Amino acid sequence: DVVVTQSPLSLPVTLGQPASISCWSSQSLVHSDGNTYLHWFQQRPGQSPRRLIYKVSNRDSGVPDRFSGSGSGTDFTLKISRVEAEDIGVYYCMQGTHWRSFGQGTKLEIK
Amino acid sequence: QVQLQESGPGLVKPSETLSLSCTVSGGSISNYYWSWIRQPAGKRLEWIGRIYSSGSTNYNSPFESRVTLSVDTSKNQFSLRLSSVTAADTAVYYCARDSEPGAGSGHFDYWGQGTLVTVSS
Repeated sequence: DVVVTQSPLSLPVTLGQPASISCWSSQSLVHSDGNTYLHWFQQRPGQSPRRLIYKVSNRDSGVPDRFSGSGSGTDFTLKISRVEAEDIGVYYCMQGTHWRSFGQGTKLEIK
Repeated sequence: QVQLQESGPGLVKPSETLSLSCTVSGGSISNYYWSWIRQPAGKRLEWIGRIYSSGSTNYNSPFESRVTLSVDTSKNQFSLRLSSVTAADTAVYYCARDSEPGAGSGHFDYWGQGTLVTVSS
């Protein structure tokens, strides 16, 4: 089974400052079809997860451009250029190349 | 806009079977995979399995011996049955649109609101 690991698990950030979350997998996430199925989700308190980024770097509709994703193979990063109050929540990376598995989650909180 | 809504009992006794349904509105259930995902309190999201609109299934190995997914295209609905439940199965259960075969797009673009299922006598 593919294990997905995130760091840090807790991320205190000052409003207006950048934030970065790392995610790595125990196997390459390059699929036989050439795509890399690594996605990022945001889960605000009391809500369902919402997909922000799909296939490493593609923003979903309505997602602010302060969110960006990058990476390849086994190492990936989610960056928020300037954190806003509405960004509070838990962020998960998830791989869909080898069935499905999620990282442990990173709790973003305001300092 | 596709919407998903889970329904089913919020309390299940140990050793019994957990049964949930997910109704899809705003779009057809056909030609997509649909998944169940759960989240125990304070833990990571855990994929249970997926079903295609034709009825073919794939299950995550930890659940394989206890889970059954089914689909009813006439009702635009798919369902989860998890047998022999224990307290460890207490979680919020989500349904989500998994993927479109061959599209090369992402996964889990639409989610239900989630339903808490507690296993207790």
